[in-house]
Order: sequence, then structure tokens, then C-alpha cells
Amino acid sequence: DAGITQSPRHKVTETGTPVTLRCHQTENHRYMYWYRQDPGHGLRLIHYSYGVKDTDKGEVSDGYSVSRSKTEDFLLTLESATSSQTSVYFCAIRKSDRGNDGYTFGSGTRLTVV
Amino acid sequence: DQQVKQNSPSLSVQEGRISILNCDYTNSMFDYFLWYKKYPAEGPTFLISISSIKDKNEDGRFTVFLNKSAKHLSLHIVPSQPGDSAVYFCAASEASNYKLTFGKGTLLTVNP
Repeated sequence: DAGITQSPRHKVTETGTPVTLRCHQTENHRYMYWYRQDPGHGLRLIHYSYGVKDTDKGEVSDGYSVSRSKTEDFLLTLESATSSQTSVYFCAIRKSDRGNDGYTFGSGTRLTVV
Repeated sequence: DQQVKQNSPSLSVQEGRISILNCDYTNSMFDYFLWYKKYPAEGPTFLISISSIKDKNEDGRFTVFLNKSAKHLSLHIVPSQPGDSAVYFCAASEASNYKLTFGKGTLLTVNP
């Protein structure tokens, strides 16, 4: 979607290595989110941010950390990747203060931990 | 504890017929309910939403119905088209935090 990009799109990494995924937006929206999608689980919230240096945990935050030093970038770090973190990761932004407008999602990062 | 449930992993319908996707929720504090559509290798895209003060919202071929007493909502697609084949996620949020909670999704297949 225009205005939100994720990098890399695909990554294969070894167990125990650190990995950082990047989400970049061009429109200065305050709220940004990281979700993971797994078969049989749908989309689950990992962490979210409501401003520069303001972040909070979601329902599956163990093993993940985030940082937001600039409005446009929201980084997700796997400190020591495990096979259970093999997943597709989606970043999302909230463009509106209206609750029924929902989020806009990026195209995803497919991460494989071997 | 799963707050948003989509109990049908898959649904198959014929082109031109109605598709009905169902969603149940347990959190009575939810204020907004949304449907997203997801194609393979793409991010979810917003489809339609409804707030808790309404019982129906319509947008073209898509209509969402909300039954608050039953904590149930449904998405109707009429008429269904092959391009509608995708995974559909139901999601909900409270007005106080705007964090979207998703169901597990339903794979809709529309056969020509």
C-alpha cells in the first residue's frame, strides 16, 4: 500500500542470530503496529507504538523488542531468533482517529529461522 | 482466551451466489468491528466496518450485520465473484485503545 513499506520482504536466518525488520511510513502517522501471521492463529499483535519512543506490548511480545526513534520508522528486533519465530510479519499504521477506519498494512516480511 | 472467533476455516460457494462469513466475539467492550480481505503474498486490506451502535452497514456487494445480543457478526457478499476468493479476517477493537484483535480467518473460494 502506498505510504508503508517493509524490509526485507524475505529473510532466512539461523537460530540464535539477531534479526531486525523495518517498517517505514511516509505520512507521519502516530500509531504503528507489528503483527505476525501463522496458520491456525490468524494475525496476532506483537508490539505497537503510539509515538516516538512510546511503545507497548501486544499479546505475543516474548522474544521481540521494538524501537521507534523517528516517526516514520518502527523496527522489530528478534534478539535471538528461534524456529518458533518463523512467520510472516506485517506492519500496520493507523491513518485515522476513527475506530471504524481500521489499519493499513504493509506487504509483509516472510522470515524463516533454520 | 480467543476474543474473536471465526469457526469456519473455509467456505466454498458458486459464482453469483451469496457468501456468508461468520464471526463471534466474547468481549462486550468492543466498539468497532472490521473485515479484512487477504490475498496470498499480500498484506490484509480493509473491506468494511461497523460500529456497535449500528446493526447493518452496506458497501456495494458487501454487507456486514451485527447482532450485539448474540455477540455475532456476519459478512454477506452478493453476488460472489471468483476474484473474491481470499482469506477473510474479522477484527474488533475498543474505542479506548484502538488495538485490533483478529480472528483466525476464513478461506473463501468462489468457483466459476
